[in-house]
Amino acid sequence: QPVLTQSSSASASLGSSVKLTCTLSSGHTSYTIAWHQQQPGKAPRFLMRLEGNGNYNKESVVPDRFSGSSSGADRYLTISNLQSEDETDYYCETWDSNNRVFGGGTRLTVL
Amino acid sequence: EVQLLESGGDLVQPGGSLRLSCAASGFTFGSHGMSWVRQPPGKGLEWVSSTSRDAGVTFYTDSVKGRFTTSRDNSRNILYLQMNSLRAEDTAVYYCARIGPNSESNFWGQGTPVTVTS
Repeated sequence: QPVLTQSSSASASLGSSVKLTCTLSSGHTSYTIAWHQQQPGKAPRFLMRLEGNGNYNKESVVPDRFSGSSSGADRYLTISNLQSEDETDYYCETWDSNNRVFGGGTRLTVL
Repeated sequence: EVQLLESGGDLVQPGGSLRLSCAASGFTFGSHGMSWVRQPPGKGLEWVSSTSRDAGVTFYTDSVKGRFTTSRDNSRNILYLQMNSLRAEDTAVYYCARIGPNSESNFWGQGTPVTVTS
């Protein structure tokens, strides 16, 4: 089954951009993933579905500052014009015929 | 408005049982696969189980196979998770999630906490 690898933490300055990475394991590098955001003490929130060719479909209420891209086994979530409310946890998710897998999550700090 | 409302979480002793429910509204429940995902305290998300639209196919993570059972009642728009032989490592917030048309988890409930302790 696929494995997703995320850096445990990331940081960037208020108003700047940050690119979070989710890496798919060997043999699964073409897989589609989903990005989710989780604020402290709250349920996860679906952000977008991201394909291996870089096409992505965002949830309608997700701000335009959030975008996705792909390169090989890597799937990226880019957040532009960082706001204080973006400081939280981000998870990637993928799936195959009989499993779902989540990455370990990245905690984003806005400096 | 789409809503998923979990209930049934509680404090239970090791070896005990619980049944979680997830009440769905605001969408055609029977048209979507559904999942249970849990989050131990201070840790990340862990997939537990997924079931197809008609519950004809259901999958589980290895650590709960033989102990947990996912079912659904499409006439009442409710997803269930029957948890038996509970262990301390099952302690977590349990979320239900809707599976979208392209297989992503595209909506989450607010979660219900389960604590297994003696």
